[in-house]
Amino acid sequence: DTGVSQNPRHKITKRGQNVTFRCDPISEHNRLYWYRQTLGQGPEFLTYFQNEAQLEKSRLLSDRFSAERPKGSFSTLEIQRTEQGDSAMYLCASGTSWDSPYEQYFGPGTRLTVT
Amino acid sequence: AQTVTQSQPEMSVQEAETVTLSCTYDTSENNYYLFWYKQPPSRQMILVIRQEAYKQQNATENRFSVNFQKAAKSFSLKISDSQLGDTAMYFCAFMSVYYGGATNKLIFGTGTLLAVQP
Repeated sequence: DTGVSQNPRHKITKRGQNVTFRCDPISEHNRLYWYRQTLGQGPEFLTYFQNEAQLEKSRLLSDRFSAERPKGSFSTLEIQRTEQGDSAMYLCASGTSWDSPYEQYFGPGTRLTVT
Repeated sequence: AQTVTQSQPEMSVQEAETVTLSCTYDTSENNYYLFWYKQPPSRQMILVIRQEAYKQQNATENRFSVNFQKAAKSFSLKISDSQLGDTAMYFCAFMSVYYGGATNKLIFGTGTLLAVQP
């Protein structure tokens, strides 16, 4: 049973470029969460999927951010026209709505650096 | 809105000794969960221990235990017999309990960096 995986692990991009991150949750986990963690802070919630439906988006998620989970399995998080303030660690977590519904399993994160 | 406060940015403990990390939170809800997560350097976050607010008994997991004071909105983590592998950032987190598929997002504190010294 593999854990949550995220790709890439590191991404350096220039301001104004678009970037896309991928998250593969634990197999059969129907819940998927994205969080953002900046230096010296705890993770902050960005968005949540149950199966393929995006059920909640944080106000932190500006119009430049979009997330998808097309078949209820993996998810992508895209940032358009990146800004230096987008530099952070982007964490994905998965869980279930039935077995231990309140437990979230985290991936290793994607560290984004915008230059 | 719920908030989580960790007032100890850094702590240090000698190997084999006991250390307590503090956490306070603010909520008007009665039903919720509290968590301690561990984030080792350059590694992913893992769950250390969980406490349901409706349970009066404090949760324990091997060397890890909590002191949950609901009225005071306090949730501290005690690590006994500290080991070098306990060196990590520790985050306290709050989760409201909603049913029927609603979001169960985590609200994190700013973390406490624990260093276990040999």
